[in-house]
Amino acid sequence: DAGVIQSPRHEVTEMGQEVTLRCKPISGHNSLFWYRQTMMRGLELLIYFNNNVPIDDSGMPEDRFSAKMPNASFSTLKIQPSEPRDSAVYFCASSSLLYEAFFGQGTRLTVV
Amino acid sequence: LAKTTQPISMDSYEGQEVNITCSHNNIATNDYITWYQQFPSQGPRFIIQGYKTKVTNEVASLFIPADRKSSTLSLPRVSLSDTAVYYCLVGAPNAGNMLTFGGGTRLMVKP
Repeated sequence: DAGVIQSPRHEVTEMGQEVTLRCKPISGHNSLFWYRQTMMRGLELLIYFNNNVPIDDSGMPEDRFSAKMPNASFSTLKIQPSEPRDSAVYFCASSSLLYEAFFGQGTRLTVV
Repeated sequence: LAKTTQPISMDSYEGQEVNITCSHNNIATNDYITWYQQFPSQGPRFIIQGYKTKVTNEVASLFIPADRKSSTLSLPRVSLSDTAVYYCLVGAPNAGNMLTFGGGTRLMVKP
């Protein structure tokens, strides 16, 4: 398996634009997580899905953020409209054992 | 949700054994202790997990005393490539609780 695949690896966008981050979890994993990492706030859990259903989205910062998991092999995190303070590295992770998660390489988002 | 406390940073030298202690005074009966490692520009990577006593794998050992209010990650004979941030997580096996990261310990291994 190629591991968790995230795209794009880098994204630079202008303030106000819509940004969509993509994640393909490891086949067979039934849990998927989205994280945001910054120097100031560390690694924050935004939302997690179990069997494609959002279980806890209390970490989503505000209504500008939304996440979907239409099937077991794909998830998106959307920011609309984007703001400079959204600049961060966004990680997707998947898990089948509920304690050992596998992380993707991350998407480095820069909003100018 | 059990809160964890770890040293912010530690320094060591190549070949030494490194022990990183994590405090989790309000750990619950169902909680497990899990450690992750993160290198710069990469996502965290699972190292080891345990519930009580001692767990050992090819990478590290995890020591958990009987009261489970703390745990110690032990890295034998570290090398420069072990320079990373190490996170201690405590939670029950439902996904969100298990994977809430704190500040971590930044380990610097020097030659």
